[in-house]
Amino acid sequence: DSGVTQTPKHLITATGQRVTLRCSPRSGDLSVYWYQQSLDQGLQFLIQYYNGEERAKGNILERFSAQQFPDLHSELNLSSLELGDSALYFCASSLGLAVSTGELFFGEGSRLTVL
Amino acid sequence: AQSVTQLGSHVSVSEGALVLLRCNYSSSVPPYLFWYVQYPNQGLQLLLKYTSAATLVKGINGFEAEFKKSETSFHLTKPSAHMSDAAEYFCAVSPSGNTGKLIFGQGTTLQVKP
Repeated sequence: DSGVTQTPKHLITATGQRVTLRCSPRSGDLSVYWYQQSLDQGLQFLIQYYNGEERAKGNILERFSAQQFPDLHSELNLSSLELGDSALYFCASSLGLAVSTGELFFGEGSRLTVL
Repeated sequence: AQSVTQLGSHVSVSEGALVLLRCNYSSSVPPYLFWYVQYPNQGLQLLLKYTSAATLVKGINGFEAEFKKSETSFHLTKPSAHMSDAAEYFCAVSPSGNTGKLIFGQGTTLQVKP
């Protein structure tokens, strides 16, 4: 158990819909990361938040947005869903801002299926 | 731009045999390099990381990796495979280490045959 909690574990929805994925980081960790894992794209970095502020952005679509709340949990919002958004979405957390200062701990992921 | 290439999407070994998973990186600056393992229906777990200290890095579960700058490689090895090693393995790079972003390879699925 990494200490990172993601909900829901599985989600099935239809095209055009909107979903919210939730992540609770390990106790004490200030950074939260979102990654997308799909068969065709592999593991792709989406976005990083540190202590409530956006710190790095990757290949995140404009239809996707995220935020980190004062209690440090994070939510990833996916809207106008398309079939290609079906993937496993991982949340990770770390104590510091960078990998040089500590390890990333990954949750078990939220599997999104868009029909 | 930084990138990671894992040679071989599937590797099959017999129990007790040497495990060798290949990873080559591209980075314009001295990189931080990582190997992660993903067991079925689980998240990624860090096996080991290279942070410009020793070039031979020892990790958990008997795995180790050697950083070879001249070959831009960071191959993962284990002398003797166990059935429990069957999983997907990812190599990842972080340029300079001053970021939390990791760039992952496509992954290598390790099959261990009895």
